[in-house]
Amino acid sequence: RKEVEQDPGPFNVPEGATVAFNCTYSNSASQSFFWYRQDCRKEPKLLMSVYSSGNEDGRFTAQLNRASQYISLLIRDSKLSDSATYLCVVNEKSNSGYALNFGKGTSLLVTP
Amino acid sequence: ETGVTQSPTHLIKTRGQQVTLRCSSQSGHNTVSWYQQALGQGPQFIFQYYREEENGRGNFPPRFSGLQFPNYSSELNVNALELDDSALYLCASTPGGARDSPLHFGNGTRLTVT
Repeated sequence: RKEVEQDPGPFNVPEGATVAFNCTYSNSASQSFFWYRQDCRKEPKLLMSVYSSGNEDGRFTAQLNRASQYISLLIRDSKLSDSATYLCVVNEKSNSGYALNFGKGTSLLVTP
Repeated sequence: ETGVTQSPTHLIKTRGQQVTLRCSSQSGHNTVSWYQQALGQGPQFIFQYYREEENGRGNFPPRFSGLQFPNYSSELNVNALELDDSALYLCASTPGGARDSPLHFGNGTRLTVT
């Protein structure tokens, strides 16, 4: 079973739509959580960290449910420039130290 | 402030050969991690170095090895290359080894094994 699971999509939405991505993780000892964005043939870039209390950055809202081992990302009022792959990332403590586990990513295409 | 730089950008090797990839961390960052990203997949964690010591490793065989130098730059070495090693190799740095610091990625090295 993969440690970080995401729906690969693609999600095709019109401009202005609200879209939500989900992510589940298997290791209950996971310690920190992030969403990264990756444009085609580019490196991933941090979109936002995810905190237990939930956090918002403009049109983006991230939520964490530790009991269900579930992370979400909500994008409101989608823009064409939001088209990208969104990667869920979980930082876990292991015997050999810390391991950063990425999901496969969820592809978003925002259309005019 | 200089970002993370990786070299080379592209590389073609044949099966069985060895390869060394290089990474210079962002200035002020002493933690470097390496990832393998196959086409259509998310990045897979290879290992992480903090102050020249490995302090985290993913599920990669021992033929994947690394080094970090006193200036915090790093190398990824892969021996006995296999066709499945063809991927984008990403290096990322963070400041201070903090577990919740964002990763700053380089542009990656695209390795093709034939």
